[in-house]
Amino acid sequence: AQTVTQSQPEMSVQEAETVTLSCTYDTSESDYYLFWYKQPPSRQMILVIRQEAYKQQNATENRFSVNFQKAAKSFSLKISDSQLGDAAMYFCAYIIIQGAQKLVFGQGTRLTINP
Amino acid sequence: KAGVTQTPRYLIKTRGQQVTLSCSPISGHRSVSWYQQTPGQGLQFLFEYFSETQRNKGNFPGRFSGRQFSNSRSEMNVSTLELGDSALYLCASSPVERGTNEQYFGPGTRLTVT
Repeated sequence: AQTVTQSQPEMSVQEAETVTLSCTYDTSESDYYLFWYKQPPSRQMILVIRQEAYKQQNATENRFSVNFQKAAKSFSLKISDSQLGDAAMYFCAYIIIQGAQKLVFGQGTRLTINP
Repeated sequence: KAGVTQTPRYLIKTRGQQVTLSCSPISGHRSVSWYQQTPGQGLQFLFEYFSETQRNKGNFPGRFSGRQFSNSRSEMNVSTLELGDSALYLCASSPVERGTNEQYFGPGTRLTVT
C-alpha cells in the first residue's frame, strides 16, 4: 500500500529565514508524482510544487524547492525567505501515473511564521 | 479561469438525514475527485469521476455516492448521516486524463452532523 509520512506535526520559523519540511513515502511503483500542497486557515488547498519521479532534477518554484531522493523515498520541501503568508498546513501527497487516479496525503505539518 | 467552486460552503444536518454536495470544476477539466478531511483521519480519497463515469472509489461505505454530469459538474451524496460524517469535503478537478497530474481544489463544504 502507498503511504505518505510527515514526521513533523508542527514547525516554526522566523520570518525571512529558511525552513525544511520532511516527507517520506512508501511505494512499489516506479512512475509517480509527488506534490506539496498548502492549506492556509481559509481552507483552500493550493498546489505549491510538483515533482515527477522520473526526473532527477529537483523542482523549484520561486522560494520553494524540493529535495527529492528517490532511492530513499524522501521528498522534503524547503521554503526560503519565509513570509508571514507562508503560515499554513503543508501536505505532502503522492499519485501514481497508472492506476487509481487518487492523491495519497500525509498527515500534514503546521507551519508557523514568527515575525 | 474561475477556480473550482463548491456549494454549499457550510451545512448542518441531523443524524439519519441525507445530504448532497455540489462541485463545479475548472472549465475544461474533465476529472473530478472528492476527498474527506477530518482531524483524526486526515485527507482521504472518496471517489473520482471522469466523463460521467466513476473510475475509482476509496474505502468508504455505500452511503457515500456520487455522480458527474455531462458538463463535468459533480455531486456527492451521503445518505443516513452519522456523527462521524462531520468533516470538510473537498472537491478537486484535474485537466487531463489519467496519468498526470495536478489536482486543483475547491474551498470545501464544511458538513456538521448533529
